[in-house]
Amino acid sequence: QLVESGGNLVQSGGSLRLSCAASGFTFSSYEMHWVRQAPGKGLHWISYISSAGANIFYADSVKGRFTISRDNAKDSLYLQMKSLRAEDTAVYYCARGTFGMDVWGQGTTVTVSS
Amino acid sequence: QSVLTQPPSVSGAPGQRVTISCTGSSSNIGTGYDVHWYQHLPGTAPKLLIYGNNNRPSGVPDRFSSSKSGTSASLAITGLQAEDEADYYCQSFDISLSVYVFGTGTKITVL
Repeated sequence: QLVESGGNLVQSGGSLRLSCAASGFTFSSYEMHWVRQAPGKGLHWISYISSAGANIFYADSVKGRFTISRDNAKDSLYLQMKSLRAEDTAVYYCARGTFGMDVWGQGTTVTVSS
Repeated sequence: QSVLTQPPSVSGAPGQRVTISCTGSSSNIGTGYDVHWYQHLPGTAPKLLIYGNNNRPSGVPDRFSSSKSGTSASLAITGLQAEDEADYYCQSFDISLSVYVFGTGTKITVL
């Protein structure tokens, strides 16, 4: 099970940190992703981190502004977001990814006001 | 902007077979990277429907199947049911961009 938290209303240019708490599986063995869905839009992948955190990828839309990290001792995944823009408004999902993204959280909503 | 293109909508009557195409390029589907398929109902978490070479997670009925050829992939749903009304997305990895990518999404409507 994955449970996201940290979503909120924030002003443009502000920062926010999302968390994703994992349970029911060996978190440290799995790659993880953050995916978002803006209102009326499709799913958009934004970041990946390997099981030990050694490999990280970002979508161009968030590169340089968002930072993915994980704490395997706490079974937790994080997304630090800064310089937020109106177009970052979305539901943010964390997902476990090995053979496809097979476990998803329910999402947390980030609203950036301009 | 997604690098995987899907038709915006597909519709069919109950019991019919429908297919959704996912068109990529030589830097993603064409490289041989796996294509995965997801079902997404508004307000819920996306659900993995098919992973890799036509593999279904436990609980996904065999009415759902996938195929891949060259730079394209497709999802087929046979015996269409009202509960299949949802948005469907393909997903792969793009080696030239080093990013994971979702398709543009297809809304299935059961007539």
